[in-house]
Amino acid sequence: GAGVSQSPSNKVTEKGKDVELRCDPISGHTALYWYRQSLGQGLEFLIYFQGNSAPDKSGLPSDRFSAERTGGSVSTLTIQRTQQEDSAVYLCASSPMTGFITGGYTFGSGTRLTVV
Amino acid sequence: TQLLEQSPQFLSIQEGENLTVYCNSSSVFSSLQWYRQEPGEGPVLLVTVVTGGEVKKLKRLTFQFGDARKDSSLHITAAQPGDTGLYLCAGDAGNQFYFGTGTSLTVIP
Repeated sequence: GAGVSQSPSNKVTEKGKDVELRCDPISGHTALYWYRQSLGQGLEFLIYFQGNSAPDKSGLPSDRFSAERTGGSVSTLTIQRTQQEDSAVYLCASSPMTGFITGGYTFGSGTRLTVV
Repeated sequence: TQLLEQSPQFLSIQEGENLTVYCNSSSVFSSLQWYRQEPGEGPVLLVTVVTGGEVKKLKRLTFQFGDARKDSSLHITAAQPGDTGLYLCAGDAGNQFYFGTGTSLTVIP
């Protein structure tokens, strides 16, 4: 597609339920990143995928968070047993490669998750 | 984690005023980027600076990378309401960029 697409754009869920957030990166981009952003704050790194290499999961805040990337394209971020502190905007970004990128990341519009 | 601190955190100014936003770290970065984010959207890249001491201009925006490549500044001349948004710096840490804490700018008409 022309840009990074995320779905759903908004998600309200009850505490304790599982949620899945989806990211469709730009076609041909080998690197994909997930970030979390609390209201008006900076971005907190969660996980990134680069081609067929093992993902860097060092930013995942707990074992309730997991992510996968199928076929080197679409990625799904799963949060199990959601807690209120998981409420945030989850942003996905893609780029042609990792490392120095003059063109920067291309971000999706994010999924706003609210846990009630 | 390589922390990037931005200041000020919030800034509200009148249209036509000048302002400077700072991005500081104790770490050295091989490159640094600035993004602007509007409500309900993802961040959009404004500029990439690579060389220590480098200055780049983008219309009314001037970006500077510190000589030691640990800090950067963004100066906006004659701010306009369209400049309103969240400004984020991001430092190249090899395989990914670490993002700063953000500066929320509001320009009042």
